[in-house]
Amino acid sequence: NAGVTQTPKFRILKIGQSMTLQCTQDMNHNYMYWYRQDPGMGLKLIYYSVGAGITDKGEVPNGYNVSRSTTEDFPLRLELAAPSQTSVYFCASSYLGSHNEQFFGPGTRLTVL
Amino acid sequence: AQSVSQHNHHVILSEAASLELGCNYSYGGTVNLFWYVQYPGQHLQLLLKYFSGDPLVKGIKGFEAEFIKSKFSFNLRKPSVQWSDTAEYFCAVNAGRRDDKIIFGKGTRLHILP
Repeated sequence: NAGVTQTPKFRILKIGQSMTLQCTQDMNHNYMYWYRQDPGMGLKLIYYSVGAGITDKGEVPNGYNVSRSTTEDFPLRLELAAPSQTSVYFCASSYLGSHNEQFFGPGTRLTVL
Repeated sequence: AQSVSQHNHHVILSEAASLELGCNYSYGGTVNLFWYVQYPGQHLQLLLKYFSGDPLVKGIKGFEAEFIKSKFSFNLRKPSVQWSDTAEYFCAVNAGRRDDKIIFGKGTRLHILP
């Protein structure tokens, strides 16, 4: 199993551009999550999903959108990128009955200039 | 609302020193507790976890943590650190069956001097 994979690994955007961060897991996990990590701030939850077709806002959803059309994929969409969205983005997944033990992807480092 | 506090933001130790990183949480019910480690340039990996049972849990690479319910704490320990333990450590809490999310602390950056 590849686990949780994310693409791209790095990206530079200009202010106002949009992009989609891809996340795929091959473990048949129900739950998927998007976090952003900023220095000294830990991980902040952006959006999460408990199954295909169901998504919920986390702590910092503004400026982002998600969809979950399949169990495997959970893309994160940035519309109108802003410098405040410069961060490292991690996708994670977990499964029902795991007490929410989460498995993380390798991350995407995004810079908005 | 749940919260997780990690009191040590940056710790510097010499090799072979003992380590204890503090973690306190604010939820009063049943909790699931985790410590994750992030080595430089890498993603988060699970170090150890507590769901129930023996409050002293052992994880990978010689780490252990003790759940003290009365103190709302889940401190991470290692008797003798190595240079390869240089990393950032995150404590995380899930409010049992009521919640589909976990809350992370802000992390402790550990630097081990060779």
